[in-house]
Order: sequence, then structure tokens, then C-alpha cells
Amino acid sequence: DAKTTQPNSMESNEEEPVHLPCNHSTISGTDYIHWYRQLPSQGPEYVIHGLTSNVNNRMASLAIAEDRKSSTLILHRATLRDAAVYYCMTGGATNKLIFGTGTLLAVQP
Amino acid sequence: GAVVSQHPSWVICKSGTSVKIECRSLDFQATTMFWYRQFPKQSLMLMATSNEGSKATYEQGVEKDKFLINHASLTLSTLTVTSAHPEDSSFYICSAPERRTSSGKAGEQYFGPGTRLTVT
Repeated sequence: DAKTTQPNSMESNEEEPVHLPCNHSTISGTDYIHWYRQLPSQGPEYVIHGLTSNVNNRMASLAIAEDRKSSTLILHRATLRDAAVYYCMTGGATNKLIFGTGTLLAVQP
Repeated sequence: GAVVSQHPSWVICKSGTSVKIECRSLDFQATTMFWYRQFPKQSLMLMATSNEGSKATYEQGVEKDKFLINHASLTLSTLTVTSAHPEDSSFYICSAPERRTSSGKAGEQYFGPGTRLTVT
């Protein structure tokens, strides 16, 4: 499974957009890009995933670079409940997810 | 959406005893489940893949005789920590993937709420 690189932490203000970057330069052609988040003392929560095209859902948008070596998770309007550790992962057919260190997002009121 | 539950949510046990943690998929069948462990301030570490009807697949460095996994049905996987010691104290989390679509697309994974194990 490809390794990903994310900033250790980021800060945002409430109701402002947040762009969380992720590098996955060794991603294989069939690997999906997955984003999960984890609140303290809880199991991770699915956010979004994609393969090549940009994806949108009710939680976020995923912008995938044309060469697929990086992606950006976009929270359009951060709320205090979005404060969490965000994990970017790439995964193949086995569905096995290997978690990296993630990005700790702090949201200021 | 689909729900994965874990039982118990927390447990305290004495050193040398064994503890069983259950992971259930509540409204879908899961032929595969994953077990993770998370220490404070750290990321999740994949321990093993639980396969219904066959042996679990353990990640490198995880002792299969210490962490017994049984996937008895399509909705239940159990992790037994045998002869637990204080260093086994951790947050144990299971997950189950959504079945792939007919086109083979990857789905999302559903994580349980976790089980906090404290060994005294």
C-alpha cells in the first residue's frame, strides 16, 4: 500500500473553508484515495474517497491531482464539530487501510 | 448508513487474564473485518484481517497466539487478548468494509466505536 504524507496539524476559523493536503506519490494506478477522520475516543468516520475524478458529497469535496500523486480534502465551511484528525490513505483491492499520522485540524470559533 | 458495534466499550482486567472483544456488523454482512490497535496520541495500527470461515491474516509483528481472532459468522468477529499485560492496554477498533459494487469499485469502511482495554 502506498505511503501518504500529510501536515501534522492545521488550523482554521469557523465557517471558513479548509484545504487539507495529502501527498501519495507512489500510488498505483488502481488504488483509491480514501479520507477518514477521527474524533477523540471514537472510531474513525468515513469522509470521502475517489479514484481519478474530483468527488463531492455532503461532508466534503475531494480534489485529485491529474497525476494522482496528491489530493486535497476540502471542507467548505468548517464547524467546531469538524475538529478531528484527518487521515488520507490509499488502498487497493484488499480494502486494507493503513493509517498514517494524519492531520490534526483545530477549528477556532 | 451501515453500523458496526463493539462490545464491551471498555474493560478493565487483571494481568494474566484473557479478554474477549466482539465486533458486529448490525445491518450488513461482512466476510472480512479488520482489527486495529491505537495507543494514546498515536495513529491506528492494523493488527489483522479477520476472514469469515478461515484463518485470520496477521500483520508483521503481531503475535497470533496472543491475539486470537475468530470470525464465526458473517456478522461477528471476536478478538481475544490472551494473558493480557499492562502493555496491552490500548484502544481496540474493528472495521468492516462495504461490499464492492458490481463494477468492482471500492466502498467505504465502517468502523466500530472502539473498546478501551486497561490491564492492571
